[in-house]
Amino acid sequence: GDSVTQKEGLVTLTEGLPVMLNCTYQTIYSNAFLFWYVHYLNESPRLLLKSSTDNKRTEHQGFHATLHKSSSSFHLQKSSAQLSDSALYYCALSTGANTGKLTFGHGTILRVHP
Amino acid sequence: EAAVTQSPRNKVAVTGGKVTLSCNQTNNHNNMYWYRQDTGHGLRLIHYSYGAGSTEKGDIPDGYKASRPSQENFSLILELATPSQTSVYFCASGDPTGGSQNTLYFGAGTRLSVL
Repeated sequence: GDSVTQKEGLVTLTEGLPVMLNCTYQTIYSNAFLFWYVHYLNESPRLLLKSSTDNKRTEHQGFHATLHKSSSSFHLQKSSAQLSDSALYYCALSTGANTGKLTFGHGTILRVHP
Repeated sequence: EAAVTQSPRNKVAVTGGKVTLSCNQTNNHNNMYWYRQDTGHGLRLIHYSYGAGSTEKGDIPDGYKASRPSQENFSLILELATPSQTSVYFCASGDPTGGSQNTLYFGAGTRLSVL
């Protein structure tokens, strides 16, 4: 079945440094849609950005990611971390085969300190 | 404002007891989902539904039942709760359009402790 791997469970950064959270996926289907969800403490998880277009950069709220189907990757990046970026980040995969179901990775906690 | 509302927000149950978690959405979405969130496992799909009267097994359905009596409501039922079901449960709604571009809208979560 489909799977998503987020190799870092915890990323700790100093404010102002660049952010990169890794996400790779496996699926037998060619029509993969990739998502990043962010879960702030005491809030509901919500969509940060999504993409289905190969090699096209997508941006939202200062974060960006590019889907690379050749390497099955969708890494989340930001040029300069802010304290308010501290949260749990999930990468997720959807394919046409499962009609709306999302497969989530284990999540990466991002902690940004002064 | 469109929303996904879960109740209760917190629940303590005894082993062997019955627990019902409720979810209501005003997004008018066809699809609804129940996930549980555990450290080291992320969000795992328990049951989902394509519309009123429909329930489908997700990836970890054992020990859980689901009910979708209407477009708006989707319940998760633990007939015989066990301590391993202690977790945070999230309900979500979504409406796939154009294939698999399914943005999920989550509720605030229910923290369940089974003692």
